[in-house]
Amino acid sequence: DAKTTQPNSMESNEEEPVHLPCNHSTISGTDYIHWYRQLPSQGPEYVIHGLTSNVNNRMASLAIAEDRKSSTLILHRATLRDAAVYYCILRGPWVRRGYQKVTFGIGTKLQVIP
Amino acid sequence: KAGVTQTPRYLIKTRGQQVTLSCSPISGHRSVSWYQQTPGQGLQFLFEYFSETQRNKGNFPGRFSGRQFSNSRSEMNVSTLELGDSALYLCASSLGEVRLTGRRDTEAFFGQGTRLTVV
Repeated sequence: DAKTTQPNSMESNEEEPVHLPCNHSTISGTDYIHWYRQLPSQGPEYVIHGLTSNVNNRMASLAIAEDRKSSTLILHRATLRDAAVYYCILRGPWVRRGYQKVTFGIGTKLQVIP
Repeated sequence: KAGVTQTPRYLIKTRGQQVTLSCSPISGHRSVSWYQQTPGQGLQFLFEYFSETQRNKGNFPGRFSGRQFSNSRSEMNVSTLELGDSALYLCASSLGEVRLTGRRDTEAFFGQGTRLTVV
């Protein structure tokens, strides 16, 4: 299974942008890059995902390197509510019988400083 | 619509006992995955079920087993509990439809987990 590598922790000041990196040098051509985050005492929640092109949604942006061996989750303005563990995940493609593999990394613990 | 429901939320068991955890996925979702989360190991994949069939299994001993019912609800069983089984067990559901586009419907929705303590 393709693995991901993330820094264990990062800090950001409130209302400043945050760039969370993820390395996935063994990614396959059909793996999608997903980001989830886990707030304290809660299950993980979906943030964003992409395949090759950069993606934006209301929560964040995802910048994917041209060779797809790394990606960066961008929170445009960090808030205290963004303090969480962020997981960079590779999800294999769906196949005929609905099978899908998910590999979780250790995650990056983001601390937001007021 | 209702989210993923896991029961019970908290559980204390003794070494050697067995335990069954339950997960009710979002209505319409056919895929259920289970994960074990511990401070030292992070989030580890246990297994995934789709339409009552186990589709994938992580690297856990045979003491960990699961099943899925026709209504997509899933149960996870751990037999002969060990102290190291103390963890947060998370369940995630997704549509499980056959798609190759990675569209948003491949998103997994997680429950709040069952906190198992083995003493």
